[in-house]
Amino acid sequence: AQSVAQPEDQVNVAEGNPLTVKCTYSVSGNPYLFWYVQYPNRGLQFLLKYITGDNLVKGSYGFEAEFNKSQTSFHLKKPSALVSDSALYFCAVRDAGAAGNKLTFGGGTRVLVKP
Amino acid sequence: DAGVIQSPRHEVTEMGQEVTLRCKPISGHNSLFWYRQTMMRGLELLIYFNNNVPIDDSGMPEDRFSAKMPNASFSTLKIQPSEPRDSAVYFCASSPPKKGGETQYFGPGTRLLVL
Repeated sequence: AQSVAQPEDQVNVAEGNPLTVKCTYSVSGNPYLFWYVQYPNRGLQFLLKYITGDNLVKGSYGFEAEFNKSQTSFHLKKPSALVSDSALYFCAVRDAGAAGNKLTFGGGTRVLVKP
Repeated sequence: DAGVIQSPRHEVTEMGQEVTLRCKPISGHNSLFWYRQTMMRGLELLIYFNNNVPIDDSGMPEDRFSAKMPNASFSTLKIQPSEPRDSAVYFCASSPPKKGGETQYFGPGTRLLVL
């Protein structure tokens, strides 16, 4: 079985400050991990993913995420948040050894960046 | 590439009516996913297809829901009869052939309101 937890329903941050959105996961084998962003009235948009290799993954719009196997975490970060980063963020996981390519999504974290 | 195309974008119908949602995946993608998003339940996977064959339909709520994929470029999700609790945003996503860690690409969604 695979699962994802996003412990914060909402994160508030001032523009220019660092942004962190937390994600922890559970899989039987090795994980494939993803972050998506959803702007109002839009579909989910792919930000970045970890498959293998370097634990620090860089993605779109200045976002990055760090894979931590011992803590089973994949937190999303941005050094300096913008008002336009205000959106709903989803973490997702798939067990690399599982048949099929079904992703399990977390409940989402709403980010509000205040000017 | 046009991305995943969904139609209609908005649908308002009355309880008991049949509703058909349509999806055109990205050309060359061989996996297709139908999701439902509500405030209460978040993002739920309803069903997914691989090479036009349904692989996992465990998320389909009940017999009122059915999905088909007659060819690689088209899928439908049908609700008959519709009920007010089916009101949600329905997303279609597609992903390329499996090489490991394939990304799902989402369409803009269909916002369904059942009165």
